[in-house]
Amino acid sequence: DIVMTQSPDSLTVSLGERATINCKSSQNVLYSSSNKNSLAWYQQKPGQPPKLLIYWASTRESGVPDRFSGSGSGTDFTLTISSLQAEDVAVYYCQQYYNVPYTFGQGTKLEIK
Amino acid sequence: EVQLVESGGGLVQPGGSLRLSCAASGFTFSNHAMSWVRQAPGKGLQWVSTISGGGGGAYYADSVKGRFTISRDSSKNTLYLQMNSLRVEDTAVYYCAKYSGYDFYYMDGWGKGTTVTVSS
Repeated sequence: DIVMTQSPDSLTVSLGERATINCKSSQNVLYSSSNKNSLAWYQQKPGQPPKLLIYWASTRESGVPDRFSGSGSGTDFTLTISSLQAEDVAVYYCQQYYNVPYTFGQGTKLEIK
Repeated sequence: EVQLVESGGGLVQPGGSLRLSCAASGFTFSNHAMSWVRQAPGKGLQWVSTISGGGGGAYYADSVKGRFTISRDSSKNTLYLQMNSLRVEDTAVYYCAKYSGYDFYYMDGWGKGTTVTVSS
C-alpha cells in the first residue's frame, strides 16, 4: 500500500499569511505515460463532507479560490494557501489515486492564530 | 447540480448487517465511477470501496474485503454498500463520492454521509 504522510499535523497561521501543508507518498505517484501526478487535496470543514480542492497535484477544481495552489511531483507535494482567510479553517487531506487502496494522508488541521 | 444523498445508517450489533444507499442526481450516473469513504469518530478519511461506471469492476480496502459488497443500479441512479459481519471498528460516517469520470481518479462530489454505529 502507498502510505501518505502529511506534515505538520496541525498548523496555526495568522489571517492574511501563507499556510503550507506537505504530503509525502511512500511510492512515486507519477504516471509516466501522461506525466501527471495522481494526487488530490481535499478540504473538510467541521461537520461537513470533504470538498475537492486540487487534482493532478496542481489543477484547481472549478470554483476554488486562486489563493489555493498545489505543487510537487513524484513523492513530495505541497498545498499552499497564499493569504489565509477565516473560512479556510478546516482539516486538509491529500490522497493518492495511483494505486488501490486509494490512501489518504492523516490530515492537517489548520487554525487561525 | 450534483446531489448525493446517503441513507441506511443506524445502530447495529457486532456481527450484524446493514445496507447503505446513495441516491445520485444531477449527472449521468452510469458515466461515473463511485466510491464509499468512511470517517471514524474524530479520525481521518479512509477509502472503503470503489466501483466502475458499468459496475463490472469493484475494489475494496483489505479491512472490509469479504464482508462488504459495493453495487450500483443505474436504472435507479443508486449506489449501495452491503455490510455484513460488522465490527465495532466499522463505526463511522460513511460518505458516498463520485469520481470525475469513468476512471478511478479524483472524487469531485461527496454526499453528507450516513452514520453507522456498531455496538452491543
